[in-house]
Amino acid sequence: GAGVSQSPRYKVAKRGQDVALRCDPISGHVSLFWYQQALGQGPEFLTYFQNEAQLDKSGLPSDRFFAERPEGSVSTLKIQRTQQEDSAVYLCASSLARGAGGYTFGSGTRLTVV
Amino acid sequence: AQKITQTQPGMFVQEKEAVTLDCTYDTSDQSYGLFWYKQPSSGEMIFLIYQGSYDEQNATEGRYSLNFQKARKSANLVISASQLGDSAMYFCAMREGGSGTYKYIFGTGTRLKVLA
Repeated sequence: GAGVSQSPRYKVAKRGQDVALRCDPISGHVSLFWYQQALGQGPEFLTYFQNEAQLDKSGLPSDRFFAERPEGSVSTLKIQRTQQEDSAVYLCASSLARGAGGYTFGSGTRLTVV
Repeated sequence: AQKITQTQPGMFVQEKEAVTLDCTYDTSDQSYGLFWYKQPSSGEMIFLIYQGSYDEQNATEGRYSLNFQKARKSANLVISASQLGDSAMYFCAMREGGSGTYKYIFGTGTRLKVLA
C-alpha cells in the first residue's frame, strides 16, 4: 500500500483481556519498528524487526508483550492480560532499510484498558 | 545516557511568521542522526527533516530548516512563513548508529499553535 496501515484504529479492552494489534508496512520495507506513546509523551521504542527476524526487543516492558512478523511483512503486537498502564497509542513504523532516512509511521492504534 | 530534551511544551506563532522549536540532545556516539517529526491530531508521525552528525551544512526542506550546533548539542527546527496547517505536535528525535537497531529516541514534544 501507499502508507503504513494499522488496525484497529481504536481498541477498548477490559483489564485482563488479550489484545492483538496489526501493522501493515509499506511493501518491500525491510525494517519495522513498534513504539508506545503514552498520553502527552513522545513515542518510546518497543521492538525492531529486520524482515522476519526480531533483532531488538529491549523496549518491551514485560513478558506480557509479544511481537511477531512471521513472513517479513505484516506484524502483530500482542499484549496478554492487559493492565491499565498499557493504555497508550501504539505506533508502527517501517523503512526500506534501517538507518535509511526518515521512517514512515502509521496512524497508530489507541488502546484503552478499562 | 542518550537523551533528547524539548523544553517548550507549547508555542504560539502568528500566521506567516517564523518560529523556532528548541531541541537539545545528549549522546556519546560520534555517528548519529537528528530528526524532526510532526504529529497532527490524526496521530501519525510525519517526517520533516534530517541532519546527520557529520553534515557540515544545516539541513533544509522547503519551509523547514534545522539549525544544527554540534558543539552545543542543539538541533532546533525553524519553520518559516507559518501556516494554519502547521498547528500540531512536533517531536525531535535522535537515531544512533552504534546500537545496530537504528531506533529513535524521542523528546516529549512541543505543541505549536498557529494563530490567524
